[in-house]
Amino acid sequence: SSELTQDPAVSVALGQTVRITCQGDSLRNYYASWYQQKPGQAPLLVLYGRYERPSGIPHRFSGSSSGNTASLTITGAQAEDEADYYCNSRHGSGDQLVFGGGTKLTVL
Amino acid sequence: VQLVQSGAEVRKPGASVTLSCESSGYTFITYYIHWIRQAPGQGLEWMGIINPSGGTTTYAQKFQGRVTMTRETSRSTVYMELRRLRSDDTAVYYCARGDSVNYGGLSSYYMDVWGKGTTVNVFS
Repeated sequence: SSELTQDPAVSVALGQTVRITCQGDSLRNYYASWYQQKPGQAPLLVLYGRYERPSGIPHRFSGSSSGNTASLTITGAQAEDEADYYCNSRHGSGDQLVFGGGTKLTVL
Repeated sequence: VQLVQSGAEVRKPGASVTLSCESSGYTFITYYIHWIRQAPGQGLEWMGIINPSGGTTTYAQKFQGRVTMTRETSRSTVYMELRRLRSDDTAVYYCARGDSVNYGGLSSYYMDVWGKGTTVNVFS
């Protein structure tokens, strides 16, 4: 079982705002990173650190955290945002990393 | 910046496989390399990490004793060997460049460049 817990599926109406969450004890000590994966493609980093976006990632992607929960928010979801989203962080106090189980985002 | 992975592999149960990941466009020894796999229809699974500078490794507990990650700095290439293959090792294996940022207390570890993946099929 994953040390990071994500909702398996979330849906959002086109143009609306959606938040995808990731829960885990390690998130009290480490920021999560977030990855978008579309069918047949490698994952793409969309958010890392203190809610930083890599070059080319739209501003509608943002992040936040509280306690043991990290969140990825898409403000004004677009059809092209439909994908699987994974969080990642350190695993407990060791040097290992772990992924959340992933959230399938459907844009209606 | 890119990571180019080796081609698809087919193996029988009990065999071993070695995958490669060649880096270009940046200084090879300045970034870690992670290996991540994804079984058909499943999520991402972190396997381990290698520091190309010194060759030190950390493996996920699940794979310890069965995986070895090495590097060849002259070729800017990292290798991942998985032994004693089982049918549930059938997956796409990705390498990804790793980086980190520290905010004076809290850190973030992330993978900013990914290879396209290598499919490994294990069946008898």
